[in-house]
Amino acid sequence: KAGVTQTPRYLIKTRGQQVTLSCSPISGHRSVSWYQQTPGQGLQFLFEYFSETQRNKGNFPGRFSGRQFSNSRSEMNVSTLELGDSALYLCASSLATHTGELFFGEGSRLTVL
Amino acid sequence: GIQVEQSPPDLILQEGANSTLRCNFSDSVNNLQWFHQNPWGQLINLFYIPSGTKQNGRLSATTVATERYSLLYISSSQTTDSGVYFCAVVTGNTPLVFGKGTRLSVIA
Repeated sequence: KAGVTQTPRYLIKTRGQQVTLSCSPISGHRSVSWYQQTPGQGLQFLFEYFSETQRNKGNFPGRFSGRQFSNSRSEMNVSTLELGDSALYLCASSLATHTGELFFGEGSRLTVL
Repeated sequence: GIQVEQSPPDLILQEGANSTLRCNFSDSVNNLQWFHQNPWGQLINLFYIPSGTKQNGRLSATTVATERYSLLYISSSQTTDSGVYFCAVVTGNTPLVFGKGTRLSVIA
């Protein structure tokens, strides 16, 4: 059974650009959550989607957005990139809701220059 | 919101030694997970343990929900156990909240 797949694994952008990250959950999982990890702030929740609906949103500016498709795959977008957006972005999937066991992908490491 | 505190923040062990990592949380939880973050950044599931005790090889975990803490035991540590160990909890309708982690270094 394939795990959570995130693409791309690594990317470099410049300030002001925008980026889209993709996450394919484990087959059968309907909930997808996104987290940002930085050395200073640790692991912080971005948003959670279930059946194409955003269920929860963390305390991030509106430049961070996401969506989920009918096949449960999810994308997150960051517009007008800032240096502080450099981070490891982790996606997790679970069967139903976030109260169940979460499984994480390998992450997308974003560097903003 | 719920607070999650992990201790110790850093731990250095000689290969073969045993260790105990602790996670305290400030409210009742309906999900608690332990993860090991490998050098490439991936969070590897160790235990899903909102209560009780589980064992998996050299690792075991115990959560005492009524006293709001969980313990992760690592026995006969190996260099491959090095990395950061995270405890994360869910309470009510909140998303998974992570502690700051324990950085473990196992030296040969």
